Amino acid sequence: DAKTTQPPSMDCAEGRAANLPCNHSTISGNEYVYWYRQIHSQGPQYIIHGLKNNETNEMASLIITEDRKSSTLILPHATLRDTAVYYCIVFTNAGKSTFGDGTTLTVKP
Amino acid sequence: KAGVTQTPRYLIKTRGQQVTLSCSPISGHRSVSWYQQTPGQGLQFLFEYFSETQRNKGNFPGRFSGRQFSNSRSEMNVSTLELGDSALYLCASSLGPSMVRVTEAFFGQGTRLTVV
Repeated sequence: DAKTTQPPSMDCAEGRAANLPCNHSTISGNEYVYWYRQIHSQGPQYIIHGLKNNETNEMASLIITEDRKSSTLILPHATLRDTAVYYCIVFTNAGKSTFGDGTTLTVKP
Repeated sequence: KAGVTQTPRYLIKTRGQQVTLSCSPISGHRSVSWYQQTPGQGLQFLFEYFSETQRNKGNFPGRFSGRQFSNSRSEMNVSTLELGDSALYLCASSLGPSMVRVTEAFFGQGTRLTVV
């Protein structure tokens, strides 16, 4: 199964951009990268997903490298409410998913 | 529209008992996946159901089982509970049969199971 690697924790100042990296070097050609976040004791919340091209929605931007071995989630103007654990996930062709340990993002005032 | 609903939210069971958890997906969604989340192991995939058929299964013992009904509601059952089964059990619903088909999944709030 495709595996993802993320830094365990990151800090970001409120109002600044938060850039969360993810390594998925074993990703296959037609597997998508998804990002979710989980605030304590709640279910994971979908953020964004992509295949090859960079994607943007109202929550975030996703930058995927040309070789697709890594990606970066960008929260353009982080707020205190963005403090959460962020998961980068690759869903295999069989539909299975590996969440990994995620990155705990702490947004500080 | 209503989100993914999981019941009950909290549950305490004794070792050796069995438990059934319920998940009602978003209206129109036909795929339901189940996950176990523990502090030590993170989020682990249990199984996925689509149109009443199990499509994928994670690496869990046979004590963990599930089913999906014609209205897409799903249940998971854990028999002969062990202390290590204490976890947050999450279900996610999506339109398509697999998340690789570019359909994002929406998670419920989870059921927190404590085995004593």
